Amino acid sequence: EIVLTQSPGTLSLSPGERATLSCRASQSVTNTYLAWYQQKPGQAPRLLIYGAFSRATGIPDRFSGSGSGTDFTLTISRLEPEDFAVYHCHQYGTSPPFTFGPGTKVDIK
Amino acid sequence: EVQMLQSGGGLVHPGGSLRLSCAASRFTFSNYAMSWVRQAPGKGLEWVSSIEGDGVGTFYADSVKGRFTISRDNSKNTLYLQMNSLRTDDTAVYYCAKDLFHSNGIFDPFDIWGQGTTVTVSS
Repeated sequence: EIVLTQSPGTLSLSPGERATLSCRASQSVTNTYLAWYQQKPGQAPRLLIYGAFSRATGIPDRFSGSGSGTDFTLTISRLEPEDFAVYHCHQYGTSPPFTFGPGTKVDIK
Repeated sequence: EVQMLQSGGGLVHPGGSLRLSCAASRFTFSNYAMSWVRQAPGKGLEWVSSIEGDGVGTFYADSVKGRFTISRDNSKNTLYLQMNSLRTDDTAVYYCAKDLFHSNGIFDPFDIWGQGTTVTVSS
C-alpha cells in the first residue's frame, strides 16, 4: 500500500498570496497517477488536478500541479477567498488499495 | 447535469447491517467504474471499494474486506454498498464517486461525487 503524507498540516495565508502544498508518497506513484481535490465544510470533494498536472474541467488556471515519482506539489498562484479549504492528494491506478493523504487545511491568516 | 443521489444511511448498533444506494443520472452509467469513499468525523478521506463498469471486478480496502459488498445494477443506474458486521470505527460520511474516464482498465480519480450519507455505528 502506498502511504501519502501531506505537508504542512495547516497553511495560514492571506488572499492574494501563493500557496504551495506538498504530497509525498512512500513509494513511486505509477505513471503519475496522482490527483488533488478541494473540500469545503459539509461538501463533497471537488477534483482539481489529475495525472499530477492536468487541470479538471472548469478549474481556474491559478491551480497547478507538478511532480513525479514520490514528490508532488499543488500550487495556488494567488489565493482567492473561495480557495480557503482542505486539500487532499489521492493516488489511483490499476492496483488497489487506492489511498488519500491526510489533507492540508489552507486557512485565512 | 450529471449527478448522483445517495440514500440509505442512518444509526445502527455494532454488528448490524445497512445498505447504501447511489442513483446516477445524465451519464452512461455502465461505461464507468464506480467507488465508495468514506470520511470519519474530523478525518481525511478513505477509499472503501471500487467496482468495474460491467460489475465483474470488485476491490476492497482491507478494513472492510469480508464485511462490505459493492454491487451495481446497470439497468437501474444504481450503485450499492451492503455493509454487514458494522463496527464503531465504520462511523463516517460515505460518498459514492464516479471515475473521471470511460472504463479503460484503470481506476481513475473521481470527478462526480454523491452528496454523502452519514452512517453512525453506536450502541
